[in-house]
Amino acid sequence: LAKTTQPISMDSYEGQEVNITCSHNNIATNDYITWYQQFPSQGPRFIIQGYKTKVTNEVASLFIPADRKSSTLSLPRVSLSDTAVYYCLVGDEYNFNKFYFGSGTKLNVKP
Amino acid sequence: DGGITQSPKYLFRKEGQNVTLSCEQNLNHDAMYWYRQDPGQGLRLIYYSQIVNDFQKGDIAEGYSVSREKKESFPLTVTSAQKNPTAFYLCASSSGTVSSQPQHFGDGTRLSIL
Repeated sequence: LAKTTQPISMDSYEGQEVNITCSHNNIATNDYITWYQQFPSQGPRFIIQGYKTKVTNEVASLFIPADRKSSTLSLPRVSLSDTAVYYCLVGDEYNFNKFYFGSGTKLNVKP
Repeated sequence: DGGITQSPKYLFRKEGQNVTLSCEQNLNHDAMYWYRQDPGQGLRLIYYSQIVNDFQKGDIAEGYSVSREKKESFPLTVTSAQKNPTAFYLCASSSGTVSSQPQHFGDGTRLSIL
């Protein structure tokens, strides 16, 4: 089971691009990478998911290098409302219980 | 609006007491999950259910029990055997595995010991 490592916290300012990296050295062939955002006293909310190279949606981009041992969530032009904890999850595409939720990165966006 | 509803938002347990946390979804999802979250920690899987009338233990199932009699409902019972139940409990559902489909989460139940 591929464990993940993320920075505990990061600071940024409004309007900046923020990149949060997740390390998953033991990622398996069938594993996908998913990122969630969580506000205090709420459940996590899906941001983006990918397998390799680059994935982009309306809120974020996900960069995965060829060896897939890490991934980077990129948030363009953050605002104060992006202050939250961001979790990287690595999980098997075919199994319901083979996944690992990291401890998360607390992003603090300052004015 | 489709979503997941967890109740109650706050719950207090006395010593030796069992308590049940409710989770209902109207997303027509087959799979449902229960997680425990401790302060500053990631989510740990307690139980999951791939389909009605079937459920499996996760990483930390001891002291917990579940049932899945209806597709929409997946209640979690925290039994007196769970010696450290104080935590934030999250229920989720998805139409597939966590890596094939996004999970949709409820807003959690915070359980404390009296």
